[in-house]
Amino acid sequence: ETGVTQSPTHLIKTRGQQVTLRCSSQSGHNTVSWYQQALGQGPQFIFQYYREEENGRGNFPPRFSGLQFPNYSSELNVNALELDDSALYLCASSPSTGGEQYFGPGTRLTVT
Amino acid sequence: LAKTTQPISMDSYEGQEVNITCSHNNIATNDYITWYQQFPSQGPRFIIQGYKTKVTNEVASLFIPADRKSSTLSLPRVSLSDTAVYYCLVGDMFSGGYNKLIFGAGTRLAVHP
Repeated sequence: ETGVTQSPTHLIKTRGQQVTLRCSSQSGHNTVSWYQQALGQGPQFIFQYYREEENGRGNFPPRFSGLQFPNYSSELNVNALELDDSALYLCASSPSTGGEQYFGPGTRLTVT
Repeated sequence: LAKTTQPISMDSYEGQEVNITCSHNNIATNDYITWYQQFPSQGPRFIIQGYKTKVTNEVASLFIPADRKSSTLSLPRVSLSDTAVYYCLVGDMFSGGYNKLIFGAGTRLAVHP
């Protein structure tokens, strides 16, 4: 059974640019959640996708958007990058909207 | 969602038992208590979850008193590999029809030889 995978591992972008992060959910999981973790802090919930629809959202601006595909993999898109967007972005999949979440290793985004 | 308070950091030695206490005075009737572990540059990993009294699994125990205003994660005989950040989460994880995990700052546990 393959776990949650994320790509790329690391990414460096310039302020104002756009970025797309990718996540492959664990086999059999139809729900994907995204979290942002700034250095030294706990992860913060961005949003959750269930069967290709956004199913809940945290306190993040609209320039954070996402997609979920028929195979349940997901993308996180961030437009107009700001320096404060520098963080570890974590993807977690679960077998249902209320199931235990399994996290991937994350993508480290640096905005300069 | 109930706010949690836990120590910022703790130190221990190999082979000792470690107890990390989390305060959650405003816990609601439907709230569960969940602990996660996170190593550097990795995603959090579920350790244990409970509602009341005591829960035990192969890696930890969770003690919850009757008033549920606090909980204690107990790690028996820690090793160097238990050095990590431990998060206490409290909430009705499924409110609004979706599972949103609310993390605080966590407790940084350092295990020394």
